[in-house]
Amino acid sequence: GAVVSQHPSWVICKSGTSVKIECRSLDFQATTMFWYRQFPKQSLMLMATSNEGSKATYEQGVEKDKFLINHASLTLSTLTVTSAHPEDSSFYICSAFSGANSYEQYFGPGTRLTVT
Amino acid sequence: GESVGLHLPTLSVQEGDNSIINCAYSNSASDYFIWYKQESGKGPQFIIDIRSNMDKRQGQRVTVLLNKTVKHLSLQIAATQPGDSAVYFCATLRGAGSYQLTFGKGTKLSVIP
Repeated sequence: GAVVSQHPSWVICKSGTSVKIECRSLDFQATTMFWYRQFPKQSLMLMATSNEGSKATYEQGVEKDKFLINHASLTLSTLTVTSAHPEDSSFYICSAFSGANSYEQYFGPGTRLTVT
Repeated sequence: GESVGLHLPTLSVQEGDNSIINCAYSNSASDYFIWYKQESGKGPQFIIDIRSNMDKRQGQRVTVLLNKTVKHLSLQIAATQPGDSAVYFCATLRGAGSYQLTFGKGTKLSVIP
């Protein structure tokens, strides 16, 4: 089956620093990748939609200059949290969509970010 | 506005019993619905999906029912096992031509051995 990986699985950083999270589709090409944020005991909230070779589309209320998304290839998208603050601490999850006769998105295992 | 909600935030069932998890949606344009299982500290795992032209779909030990008239979706798990303990989310596409998902609030299922 389709596998999506994320790296790192968890990261602790100091306030004011930047953190990059990678999302890779391992055995298929993803025309579109999605980034979600999930706070404890809450649902997944879509942050942005990332299409290979074009600028990401951000959801209302998500700062595009703070959450930089790059989708340079059909198998890799990165999310960089710039100038992280404690309120950015969350579980970040990506998903990948192949667009091949299915609406199914394949989710990564998530990255736990803690900003101290 | 669009929302996908769940009737019950928590559900406890005895091992071996059947579980029913409910979900209400508000976007009548939604034409694709999915149930996900999320274990603690992990990403969502696809369980089963259903398109709007169907009202029932069965998988292995799971059945999804869709009632478009009242905009209601349910997930039935037969012979619930301890490994089924997780948070279950329903999700729907935002609308025709959209690939973006809106997730419901989630129901935590606890299986009592």
